[in-house]
Amino acid sequence: AQSVTQLDSQVPVFEEAPVELRCNYSSSVSVYLFWYVQYPNQGLQLLLKYLSGSTLVESINGFEAEFNKSQTSFHLRKPSVHISDTAEYFCAVRDFGNEKLTFGTGTRLTIIP
Amino acid sequence: GAGVSQSPSNKVTEKGKDVELRCDPISGHTALYWYRQSLGQGLEFLIYFQGNSAPDKSGLPSDRFSAERTGGSVSTLTIQRTQQEDSAVYLCATGLAGGQETQYFGPGTRLLVL
Repeated sequence: AQSVTQLDSQVPVFEEAPVELRCNYSSSVSVYLFWYVQYPNQGLQLLLKYLSGSTLVESINGFEAEFNKSQTSFHLRKPSVHISDTAEYFCAVRDFGNEKLTFGTGTRLTIIP
Repeated sequence: GAGVSQSPSNKVTEKGKDVELRCDPISGHTALYWYRQSLGQGLEFLIYFQGNSAPDKSGLPSDRFSAERTGGSVSTLTIQRTQQEDSAVYLCATGLAGGQETQYFGPGTRLLVL
């Protein structure tokens, strides 16, 4: 991938409100798509990934992301956030045939009680 | 161990000194990656190992940076003649090779060059 764009560097959201974290990418080849999460004082963890098949993928903690090929997007959504979702979220892309991940600059999600 | 481990967790050094950062992969993971996370640049790929060989070194920012992997296991990232702009968190990730495979990240080494 040539680039990954996360337009929102910070997103404050009230508890139990919905949230969408945006991710767009540019690439000349097909890609795999990932969302990683970094909780405070912890390392990066995989949240969910799109490889093939259904364009809607879900995580175990209620997040979902939808791959939109025509818009080259992979936005992350959750219908109702919790305090424990406070973290930084990174979108990443991996070109077919390539090993490296290209990351966006991250979105810091802050939950307001 | 259960996860990727990195040492040291923190390193403070003086400009011009050499540093070595270590990564211990998850057992059985043949692929190993180094990334750098800095305030101005976000997360950047540095180098990828498959076994002991490095087919992609395209992210190393200068010839002061080098890395090796021995026994298909432990990897060391060496920065020679450190500069202040090298200050960052250096992350190691490991996995099974292949685009569909997940990369599992270590906790990182926070490097501060004074």
